[in-house]
Parts: sequence; structure tokens; C-alpha cells
Amino acid sequence: AQSVTQPDIHITVSEGASLELRCNYSYGATPYLFWYVQSPGQGLQLLLKYFSGDTLVQGIKGFEAEFKRSQSSFNLRKPSVHWSDAAEYFCAVGDMEYGNKLVFGAGTILRVKS
Amino acid sequence: EAGVAQSPRYKIIEKRQSVAFWCNPISGHATLYWYQQILGQGPKLLIQFQNNGVVDDSQLPKDRFSAERLKGVDSTLKIQPAKLEDSAVYLCASSLDGGTLNEQFFGPGTRLTVL
Repeated sequence: AQSVTQPDIHITVSEGASLELRCNYSYGATPYLFWYVQSPGQGLQLLLKYFSGDTLVQGIKGFEAEFKRSQSSFNLRKPSVHWSDAAEYFCAVGDMEYGNKLVFGAGTILRVKS
Repeated sequence: EAGVAQSPRYKIIEKRQSVAFWCNPISGHATLYWYQQILGQGPKLLIQFQNNGVVDDSQLPKDRFSAERLKGVDSTLKIQPAKLEDSAVYLCASSLDGGTLNEQFFGPGTRLTVL
């Protein structure tokens, strides 16, 4: 079955520092991969997605992610974190057996210290 | 463009009571999803509608949960009777259609507490 693992439950970074959030997936075929962000009291917002092609994808708010098939990973990065980036981040894989079903990881809570 | 609307935003009930949640998707979106997000976990799909037909309800606890989308627009999710483990945020999402290339847009969710 498809699954997503986000190894880090919490991460704290200083404002202005770089960020990398880890995501590993298990999926038999070519995966469709997503990163979402959820601020307190808000719905999920799509940051970026990978379907095919260039393995480095750019998203909104200065985020990028790199797909590495050999490592079954899709890590999210940002070169310089802002206090407003504090939120919970979810990695997800699209389950093609059931149309557009998304299978989410457990999330990583990002704290930004000034 | 208006986003996905959900109500109520918060609900507190006692176990064995019933509760209903409402979702109005983005206009023109044929596909509607209900997800359950338990604290500390990622969202889990409960049911997916394409217009007013069910595409996937494999993870819906059908003995207590039901959902409908009668006119292919807004939708209701009901729990009867509620259990303590149903405490969660219930997220509604919509997309143009069920294709993976179409982004799912999420509402703010309904936070349910079962006492």
C-alpha cells in the first residue's frame, strides 16, 4: 500500500536559516508527490507538486523540493526561513488506483525562532 | 474566487450523539472529498464524490458515518452515533475533476470534540 513517512515531528530553525523537511514515500509506480502547508485554523494549501520531468520543482513562497527516485525521497527546502513560515507541513503521494486520492504523511511542525 | 466553505467550524458533542457537517465546494468543481485529520496525523480520505456519485468510500466507517452530495454541489457528512475516537478535524476539499493533475483546494475544516 502507498505510504508516506515524515521522520521529523518537530523542527525548530532560526529566522534566516535554511530549512529542509524530509519525506520518504512507498509507491510501486511513478509517484505523484505533493507538499502542503497548514497554518493554525487554516485549510491545507498546496506548496508544490511533482508529476514528471525536472526532479527539482519550484513552489510558492520560495519553497522547492527535489525528487530522488533512488532514495524514494521528496524533501522540501527553503534557503532562508521567515517567521511567517511557522506552520505544519505535509507531504503526500497521489494514489492513482483511486483517482485523485491523496495519502498524507503525519506532518512536520516547523517552529521559527527569532 | 470564493474558496471551499465549511460549517460549523467547531462542534462539541457527547458520545453517542449525532452530528452533521456541511461543505460547499468551489463553484464548478465536480469532485468533492471529505478527509479526517486526527491530532498528530495527516489527513485521511473518508469519501470522494464525482458530481453526486461516490468514487471511493473504502475508508468510511459505514456503520456510523454517512455522506451525501445530492445535487452534485454541496455535501453533508454525518456521524451517528459518535464515538470518542471520532474527535478530529474534518476537512472538505474540491477539485475540477478527479484527475491527479487537478489541485485539491481545502476548506478550513470542522474541529469535532467528542466527550
